[in-house]
Order: sequence, then structure tokens, then C-alpha cells
Amino acid sequence: EAQVTQNPRYLITVTGKKLTVTCSQNMNHEYMSWYRQDPGLGLRQIYYSMNVEVTDKGDVPEGYKVSRKEKRNFPLILESPSPNQTSLYFCASSLKGGRTYTQYFGPGTRLTVL
Amino acid sequence: GNSVTQMEGPVTLSEEAFLTINCTYTATGYPSLFWYVQYPGEGLQLLLKATKADDKGSNKGFEATYRKETTSFHLEKGSVQVSDSAVYFCALSESEAGGTSYGKLTFGQGTILTVHP
Repeated sequence: EAQVTQNPRYLITVTGKKLTVTCSQNMNHEYMSWYRQDPGLGLRQIYYSMNVEVTDKGDVPEGYKVSRKEKRNFPLILESPSPNQTSLYFCASSLKGGRTYTQYFGPGTRLTVL
Repeated sequence: GNSVTQMEGPVTLSEEAFLTINCTYTATGYPSLFWYVQYPGEGLQLLLKATKADDKGSNKGFEATYRKETTSFHLEKGSVQVSDSAVYFCALSESEAGGTSYGKLTFGQGTILTVHP
């Protein structure tokens, strides 16, 4: 089954404790990205990757890191999480990044930073 | 920059009622337009899309027409069901290779729809 998976689905942590949210897709997609969803703001892009070893900032990259060492995986790293990073995070992928390509979303990771 | 504005929610309807969720956009170029749906506890699923003016996207009884002259992409369904209860997001993509918005979806704030039996 074609899908985007994320782990963990739920995470409660404390300020400053490094964490990684994993994202994996099995569709051989070139393009992957991370979004955060906050009430009243919709989804906002954090980082994206056009292909292996090619990443770039989205609209709200502060406090986050990413890496793309393999085509299927695109982990999101919070080196020193803060309470304002409490949010619902979605990973997405598409065949390419062009305007006509459909992006497929993972199930989401709900992160709480205390 | 690009932006998407959706009608304020939440929207509450009775089963079999007609649904309209308004969406207007601002874009510097020629975007593709999307409606995504998020069912409770799940990720976003593409509901429908349109990539050029006057295109009509349709799926599961939902429709939306790309209106370039009014910069709108309103979502409609003739008869809603309880199972349509979800959050609906309008979004646009105006990505150009190498551009700063490459592949990015710009979302509206979402509209919560609740359908009662």
C-alpha cells in the first residue's frame, strides 16, 4: 500500500530534550516536506527536500533541522524543543515539486513540549 | 506573497443539506488549487484539485471550479452525509523549479464541518 508513515504519532517531552520525528514514504517520491498545523493558521511549511541531499527552508524553519540521506526518509529534528513548538506535524511527499503534483500526507505527529 | 482565505467556521448542517465552503486566494502567478480533507484523528487527504482556469475538480460528490476572474475555488456538495464531518482545507501551489516556493502548498485556516443526522 502506497503511504507516508510517521513515528511517533504522539510525543510529550520537556524543553531542551532533543527529539526526532521520522517520516518514510514507499512511493519513490523525489519531493518531501514537513508542515506544522496550528489552530487558526492552517498548515505552514517548515522544510522541504527536492531530492537526496537537497533540502531548503520553508516558511517557519526556526528551531528545526532536517536531513535527506535516503530517498524514502526525511526526519525532522528538534535539537532543543521549546513550548512554542507544541503542534501537530505532518510529513508529505510527491513525485516532484511542481504545481500540478499531488502531495500525500502522513497521519501526523502530535507533539507537546512542556 | 501567496495567501488563501476560507470562510469562517465551524459549519453545522443537517444531513442532505447543501454545502458551500468559500475559498479565495491571492497569488503572484498561476497556481494550482486543491481541497484537502482531514477526518478526525487522521492526516490530510486530497479531495479534489484543479490546475487551470475553468477546470472543475470533483470527487465523492464534492465539486469546485477554478475561477480565475474572481480568484475563487469554492467547495460545494449537493447533499452532505454524516460521514462528511471533517475539517476542509483549501490550498494552492505555485511552485517553480528553483523558486523559493518550490512545491509548497499554501493553506487556508481550515473549516470545520459537522453534519447531524
